[in-house]
Amino acid sequence: EPEVTQTPSHQVTQMGQEVILRCVPISNHLYFYWYRQILGQKVEFLVSFYNNEISEKSEIFDDQFSVERPDGSNFTLKIRSTKLEDSAMYFCASSDPGDRGRDTDTQYFGPGTRLTVL
Amino acid sequence: ILNVEQSPQSLHVQEGDSTNFTCSFPSSNFYALHWYRWETAKSPEALFVMTLNGDEKKKGRISATLNTKEGYSYLYIKGSQPEDSATYLCAFPQYNFNKFYFGSGTKLNVKP
Repeated sequence: EPEVTQTPSHQVTQMGQEVILRCVPISNHLYFYWYRQILGQKVEFLVSFYNNEISEKSEIFDDQFSVERPDGSNFTLKIRSTKLEDSAMYFCASSDPGDRGRDTDTQYFGPGTRLTVL
Repeated sequence: ILNVEQSPQSLHVQEGDSTNFTCSFPSSNFYALHWYRWETAKSPEALFVMTLNGDEKKKGRISATLNTKEGYSYLYIKGSQPEDSATYLCAFPQYNFNKFYFGSGTKLNVKP
């Protein structure tokens, strides 16, 4: 069964460094999302992406964050200058509503990348 | 910001017990409700997408109901098994489905 993959599974970085988190969505999917979960908190929406542009972004997704789909298969999240508070589990998800419509669309999640900022 | 709440936060049951937990969401402007099952160190897995008031969906021993007028959904597990141990999340989309709001999850532990 197709699945969403994410690399690396764990990334440790120093504050102020740039990190790129990588995701390979399911191949025929059209909608892509990044979420994060800080330890002990709710899963938070970061950004959604469709047709090579951002559809929606949260207040968290400031100028330090960017997303890209560089080659038609990877979907990346870049954090330009990491802060301690960026330490979290980052999840990628993808979906394809097909003919069903977005109201019944199912998102498929990757296993996450645990980012630790020291 | 939409507030999505889940209760209880955690639940410990014995194998064979049936159990249920709740997701509460804003009853105005309802579009859909998603339930996910999330085992430790794995990807959250979609269980149900519920769209209509009065919907009842079932997958094996797990079922869910939806009341959009009062803003809640129940997830039921009949005859819990140790492999049902996971965190169960609900998520509520905004009007255009480009953003989702998650509850804090119910962590279920089923003891053999």
